[in-house]
Amino acid sequence: AQTVTQSQPEMSVQEAETVTLSCTYDTSENNYYLFWYKQPPSRQMILVIRQEAYKQQNATENRFSVNFQKAAKSFSLKISDSQLGDTAMYFCAFMKQSSYKLIFGSGTRLLVRP
Amino acid sequence: NAGVTQTPKFQVLKTGQSMTLQCAQDMNHEYMSWYRQDPGMGLRLIHYSVGAGITDQGEVPNGYNVSRSTTEDFPLRLLSAAPSQTSVYFCASRGLAGDANEQFFGPGTRLTVL
Repeated sequence: AQTVTQSQPEMSVQEAETVTLSCTYDTSENNYYLFWYKQPPSRQMILVIRQEAYKQQNATENRFSVNFQKAAKSFSLKISDSQLGDTAMYFCAFMKQSSYKLIFGSGTRLLVRP
Repeated sequence: NAGVTQTPKFQVLKTGQSMTLQCAQDMNHEYMSWYRQDPGMGLRLIHYSVGAGITDQGEVPNGYNVSRSTTEDFPLRLLSAAPSQTSVYFCASRGLAGDANEQFFGPGTRLTVL
């Protein structure tokens, strides 16, 4: 069975600085997808970034980028130039190819300080 | 497009009562699913469906029933509510074509069972 671990329950960063959220996963699959979701206080789940395991290049979306280390089964999220609106829970998620089922980590609560 | 809608947003039940959480999507997505979110545990899959008339169990199905009579709707039924079912419930949908397709989440229903 696949598992996703987020070892940082809470993190804090100063506005405009950079922060990295950690995620590790366990799987015997070779083809899969990884996602980072943001959940602000509104409770809405918002997709931040996705990574296909077969792609060596790390995904980027504006201020958000990932460091995908397939051999180490690590998938960290870097947020550059942090903004107050980045304050939220962040969930790492895993999906086996053609499964459609997301397996989530326990989340990291990020606070961006003014 | 309204996306994924859920009703109600909040609900309080007494132990033993029954109720149905409604979920609808207007994106013609084949795949729909229900997750529950508990503190410190991320989101866990309850039930899912890959099309009308097809449903299957997820990670935590006990105490919940689902049916999928139309592509648009995927209600979640609690037949006899228990305090352990106090949680936030999310419905999600996505198209089947394309593995890395985004799953769209509804706004969630906060359920309290007394």
